Amino acid sequence: AQSVTQLDSHVSVSEGTPVLLRCNYSSSYSPSLFWYVQHPNKGLQLLLKYTSAATLVKGINGFEAEFKKSETSFHLTKPSAHMSDAAEYFCVVSSMTTDSWGKFQFGAGTQVVVTP
Amino acid sequence: DTEVTQTPKHLVMGMTNKKSLKCEQHMGHRAMYWYKQKAKKPPELMFVYSYEKLSINESVPSRFSPECPNSSLLNLHLHALQPEDSALYLCASSQDAGTNTDTQYFGPGTRLTVL
Repeated sequence: AQSVTQLDSHVSVSEGTPVLLRCNYSSSYSPSLFWYVQHPNKGLQLLLKYTSAATLVKGINGFEAEFKKSETSFHLTKPSAHMSDAAEYFCVVSSMTTDSWGKFQFGAGTQVVVTP
Repeated sequence: DTEVTQTPKHLVMGMTNKKSLKCEQHMGHRAMYWYKQKAKKPPELMFVYSYEKLSINESVPSRFSPECPNSSLLNLHLHALQPEDSALYLCASSQDAGTNTDTQYFGPGTRLTVL
C-alpha cells in the first residue's frame, strides 16, 4: 500500500522569500516521488522527480527537493519565490504494484499564494 | 519533446449529446491515461491503456468509454453525461506503466461543462 500526505493545504509567501512545501509518504516498496505544478485551468507540469539516485533533486524554475527515507519525507523548496510560482502543487508517490492500476498516488495538493 | 496535446480545450454539451475528447502524443510512450479533476482536488484516474491493454477504474460510470486506436492516440467518448461530470479532463502518457520510475506527462486538459 502507498499513500502521500501534503501537510499544508495553503501556503502564502512574499515575493523574494523562501518557499517550503511539505510532503510525507508511505510505501511498502522503494518508491519514486514526483512534484508537479498546476497553474489555473492548465495541465500538470513536472517539476522534479526522485527515482533512487541522488537524494537531493534539482528541478525546473529553481525548485529542489530532498528525499529523506528516515523521515519518509520529500519536501519541495525554492530559495526565492516569484509571482509566477503562484499555483497548485501536487506531491506524487509511485511504487511497484501487481498491475499498473493506482500506481500514481496524488497528495491533496498545496495552494501557493505569492504576495508582492 | 514531452508534449501531450488534447482537443478541444473547452466543451459544452447537453445531457443528451454524444461527444469525444482526443489526446495525442508522439514520444513513443506505450501507456496513456485519462484523469478527471474537479476544482481544488487532485486528479482521479479513470482509465489506463498500457501496451494497448485497458485497465478500468470500476467506479467510473459506463457513460464514459475510452478508445485507443493506436499507441499514439487516445479518445474518450462521452454519452448521456450528467451535470456532475463537469470537470477538467486530463490525458497523460508515460514510457512504460510497468515500472515505478515511470514518469507521466500531462496534456493541458479539456474543460467540460455539462448543461
